[in-house]
Amino acid sequence: AQSVAQPEDQVNVAEGNPLTVKCTYSVSGNPYLFWYVQYPNRGLQFLLKYITGDNLVKGSYGFEAEFNKSQTSFHLKKPSALVSDSALYFCAKDNQGGKLIFGQGTELSVKP
Amino acid sequence: EAEVAQSPRYKITEKSQAVAFWCDPISGHATLYWYRQILGQGPELLVQFQDESVVDDSQLPKDRFSAERLKGVDSTLKIQPAELGDSAMYLCASSLGTSGSTDTQYFGPGTRLTVL
Repeated sequence: AQSVAQPEDQVNVAEGNPLTVKCTYSVSGNPYLFWYVQYPNRGLQFLLKYITGDNLVKGSYGFEAEFNKSQTSFHLKKPSALVSDSALYFCAKDNQGGKLIFGQGTELSVKP
Repeated sequence: EAEVAQSPRYKITEKSQAVAFWCDPISGHATLYWYRQILGQGPELLVQFQDESVVDDSQLPKDRFSAERLKGVDSTLKIQPAELGDSAMYLCASSLGTSGSTDTQYFGPGTRLTVL
């Protein structure tokens, strides 16, 4: 079965430091991968996606993600974290036909 | 900027009652999705529509859940009767292309359901 894993339930970083939120996925064909962010009691906001091409994908709010086929990973990164980045982050994989399989989510906490 | 609309934002009901959620996708989006998100977990797909047709409802508990998109635009998700385990966030999303495309899904704000 298709799966997406986010190995860290929570990530804590200091404001201004770089952040990484990890994601790995099960292999099947060409993976289509997404990152979404969710603020409390809100829906998911799209950050970025990888379909094909350059392994480094740039997205909204200064976020980027690196696709690594050999490690089946798609880690989310940002060079300098902001307190306002604190939220719940979800990695997702397009299973087939548009059905997204989501990871469990990672709570990012950025402290001033 | 166009957004997916959902109502109500919050719903509290007693078990065995009927509830209904409404979703209006971004204009022109052919594909509409309903997801359920249990607290502390990622969303899980319940049903996917392509225009007015159901593409995938394999995870929809059909004994109590129903969904429709009669004119291929807005959609309603119904639960009857509601059970305690149905307490969750119900998210609607839409995407521009047809099923099988890799178009981005855009999510609405969700309906938080609490069953007492």
